[in-house]
Amino acid sequence: DAGITQSPRYKITETGRQVTLMCHQTWSHSYMFWYRQDLGHGLRLIYYSAAADITDKGEVPDGYVVSRSKTENFPLTLESATRSQTSVYFCASSEQGANTEAFFGQGTRLTVV
Amino acid sequence: DQQVKQNSPSLSVQEGRISILNCDYTNSMFDYFLWYKKYPAEGPTFLISISSIKDKNEDGRFTVFLNKSAKHLSLHIVPSQPGDSAVYFCAVEPGAGSYQLTFGKGTKLSVIP
Repeated sequence: DAGITQSPRYKITETGRQVTLMCHQTWSHSYMFWYRQDLGHGLRLIYYSAAADITDKGEVPDGYVVSRSKTENFPLTLESATRSQTSVYFCASSEQGANTEAFFGQGTRLTVV
Repeated sequence: DQQVKQNSPSLSVQEGRISILNCDYTNSMFDYFLWYKKYPAEGPTFLISISSIKDKNEDGRFTVFLNKSAKHLSLHIVPSQPGDSAVYFCAVEPGAGSYQLTFGKGTKLSVIP
């Protein structure tokens, strides 16, 4: 199916564990983004990527690692999960950057206990 | 310090009437302004955008107005329909090669049949 998919949809993990959230898009969009949504904060950018092997920090990158070895995949890794990283995570892609239409995945609800 | 403010957390409107969602921003150098809509348990979807060189952009029932002197952005939905009930986020892109979108906290619109 064409589109952008995130997995898993729901994840519960323990403090200190490493967890990876997956994001896959089928359009070959150059730009991909990771956001987190928390109550009272709207969406905040964690990391973004302008192309394969090119990534950069967003507003809230601490505690997260990304990679982009292939254009279609943009995994987000929490190296040592903390309770403050409990959130809903959204991956997005766009053809020409943040000022054009971005397509979002359905989100991953992560709970760190 | 919030760069983008949506001061109304919620708004209720009768079906068929106009919905007006507001957004204020702090930096007069912002280049692009976008609106996204989000239903529960789904990712945000792009609605409409406007660049700083324009003061109005229209797409069907949706019109975005930009008042640069007041640093104010508004989204008008006419006529409002029950299916428009969602959370609406305004977002700004600084331009100048930035790939980062900054989102407001969102306004929950309820359209009452």
